[in-house]
Amino acid sequence: QKEVEQNSGPLSVPEGAIASLNCTYSDRGSQSFFWYRQYSGKSPELIMSIYSNGDKEDGRFTAQLNKASQYVSLLIRDSQPSDSATYLCAVLLNRDDKIIFGKGTRLHILP
Amino acid sequence: DAGVTQSPTHLIKTRGQQVTLRCSPKSGHDTVSWYQQALGQGPQFIFQYYEEEERQRGNFPDRFSGHQFPNYSSELNVNALLLGDSALYLCASSLFERVFSGANVLTFGAGSRLTVL
Repeated sequence: QKEVEQNSGPLSVPEGAIASLNCTYSDRGSQSFFWYRQYSGKSPELIMSIYSNGDKEDGRFTAQLNKASQYVSLLIRDSQPSDSATYLCAVLLNRDDKIIFGKGTRLHILP
Repeated sequence: DAGVTQSPTHLIKTRGQQVTLRCSPKSGHDTVSWYQQALGQGPQFIFQYYEEEERQRGNFPDRFSGHQFPNYSSELNVNALLLGDSALYLCASSLFERVFSGANVLTFGAGSRLTVL
């Protein structure tokens, strides 16, 4: 089992709709989770971090964490064409303090 | 506030050669992590440096080595290059003390794109 798993997509969402991105992880003791956005040819940039179970909202973005199910998600409301990118889920492993990334989900917002 | 800077941005090498990539962390950061990102893949953890020592290492062979200098800057060296080493090499900096609080947010540089022919 991979340490961080994401559906590679592409996920196509109409402009203005809600995009839902999902991630599961294997290290049950992990406490810190991150979502990075990566535009084609660019480096990853942090958009959200979450440490506690539940929801965390920042503008149009909401991160959701369920440690019992080892599941993290990212919701993007009112999706814009500029949201088209690859979204990387990252987990700080409890056992050795490494931040490990999933393969990323390609999101395409349809105008 | 200077972000993470990496050099060179692009380079082309041939199989068997050696390469050195350089990274200057964000001002105020003391920890440098290196990642390899192949096309269509997520970043793969290579290693992390703090206080001039390698703290953590991913599943990479000994051909990959690194160094951190007293000013916190870092180098990644790859020997005996293989075609499969072609990738975007990302440097990310962070503040070590935040690791233990769990808030170890990485700030990435623009990357060095290595092509091995």
